[in-house]
Amino acid sequence: GAVVSQHPSWVICKSGTSVKIECRSLDFQATTMFWYRQFPKQSLMLMATSNEGSKATYEQGVEKDKFLINHASLTLSTLTVTSAHPEDSSFYICSAPRRDGTGELFFGEGSRLTVL
Amino acid sequence: QKEVEQDPGPLSVPEGAIVSLNCTYSNSAFQYFMWYRQYSRKGPELLMYTYSSGNKEDGRFTAQVDKSSKYISLFIRDSQPSDSATYLCAMSHSGNTGKLIFGQGTTLQVKP
Repeated sequence: GAVVSQHPSWVICKSGTSVKIECRSLDFQATTMFWYRQFPKQSLMLMATSNEGSKATYEQGVEKDKFLINHASLTLSTLTVTSAHPEDSSFYICSAPRRDGTGELFFGEGSRLTVL
Repeated sequence: QKEVEQDPGPLSVPEGAIVSLNCTYSNSAFQYFMWYRQYSRKGPELLMYTYSSGNKEDGRFTAQVDKSSKYISLFIRDSQPSDSATYLCAMSHSGNTGKLIFGQGTTLQVKP
């Protein structure tokens, strides 16, 4: 079964509104989670690293004020897309690493955001 | 030049065929190599994971890594229609980071 759960799986919103996506690790604790974005027919691109108890680390070119990340507990990270615009429409996927340091990631089911 | 190159396909094969999927990369610092399968509108699912060069086999799947050529492959034997999906290669420098560099993904269709 799934070890990383995302919610919602899909969301449609109006331009200018904010949308929150939740990522939960099931049956294990994740001090770090990763948020990826995937545009149609393109690969996954890392957006940011979510750290429990501290600020998120953003990849170059990702606006931290637009994509707010909160790692509230050892099993929950949230991504809020603020003042969403049509160009933010994408597939957002979170992941959490195995604890053995191998770099292997468990991915969530993804959240498809459509901004009208 | 992208760090990881992968032919997007689509690749169409008959059921039972052997499928070969490949990625090339430019950064010699990559040490960990993975293959993920992604069905439409779903998150990626890890298929194979290898460290450094060599081969790894798991059922109908075989992963190969040739670091000298900066080339990795995934072979699928006796392909099934249920194997139809997008296959993504991914790599990382370190085992302690979740920063994976993905290929574009190859769309595979196995026809019954």
